[in-house]
Amino acid sequence: NAGVMQNPRHLVRRRGQEARLRCSPMKGHSHVYWYRQLPEEGLKFMVYLQKENIIDESGMPKERFSAEFPKEGPSILRIQQVVRGDSAAYFCASSPLLAGDTGELFFGEGSRLTVL
Amino acid sequence: AQRVTQPEKLLSVFKGAPVELKCNYSYSGSPELFWYVQYSRQRLQLLLRHISRESIKGFTADLNKGETSFHLKKPFAQEEDSAMYYCALRAADKIIFGKGTRLHILP
Repeated sequence: NAGVMQNPRHLVRRRGQEARLRCSPMKGHSHVYWYRQLPEEGLKFMVYLQKENIIDESGMPKERFSAEFPKEGPSILRIQQVVRGDSAAYFCASSPLLAGDTGELFFGEGSRLTVL
Repeated sequence: AQRVTQPEKLLSVFKGAPVELKCNYSYSGSPELFWYVQYSRQRLQLLLRHISRESIKGFTADLNKGETSFHLKKPFAQEEDSAMYYCALRAADKIIFGKGTRLHILP
C-alpha cells in the first residue's frame, strides 16, 4: 500500500492563475481531509469529504476554494485566481470507512504552493 | 469554540531528562484527544490517543477534563524523540490540530 499520494509536491503559480492539488487516498479509504499549513502555523482544517459528498467544509474560504472527491479518481482541491496569501503547504489525509471513528488519519507528504 | 493550544513552539531537553509537551483544549462536547508526531523527512503520523490509554515509545498522555489538558510525557528523553509534535482534538466529524511543538533532544 503506497500510502496517501499527493501531487504535485511543489506548484508555482502567478497571481490570478488556478491551482489544482490532487490527493489519492490509501487503498480502501473513502474519507479524505484537506488541511492548510501556513508558515509558523499549525494544520488548519479546510474540508472533509467522502466519495461524492462534502461532509464538512467549515474551514474552506468562502470564495475561490473548492474541493471534490468523485466516485472515480483522486480528490481535488481547487484554488481559483490565486493570491500571494494562498502560498502554503496543503496536506491531505485519509481514513477508512469503518475505522473512521478511531480518529487516526493517514497523511500525505503535502503539496507546497507558491504564488508569485 | 473548538481550539487546541500548544503554548511552546520549541522545547529543548537533555537526553535522559523528563519530557512534557503541553496541550490544552477548548470544546463543549465530550473530547477525544490525540497526539501526532512528524519525524524528520517523514509524514505526520498518529502517536497515541487518549481512549486507548496506551504507552507508545515510552510516551503517555492523560486527559484531564478539569484542567482541559492532554499533556504528553516521557520520563527519559531519547535522541530519536526529536520531532514535531501536534496535539489534536476530534470535534464532531473533523480533527483540529494545535500549532505544534518542536522537541529537540540535546546530547
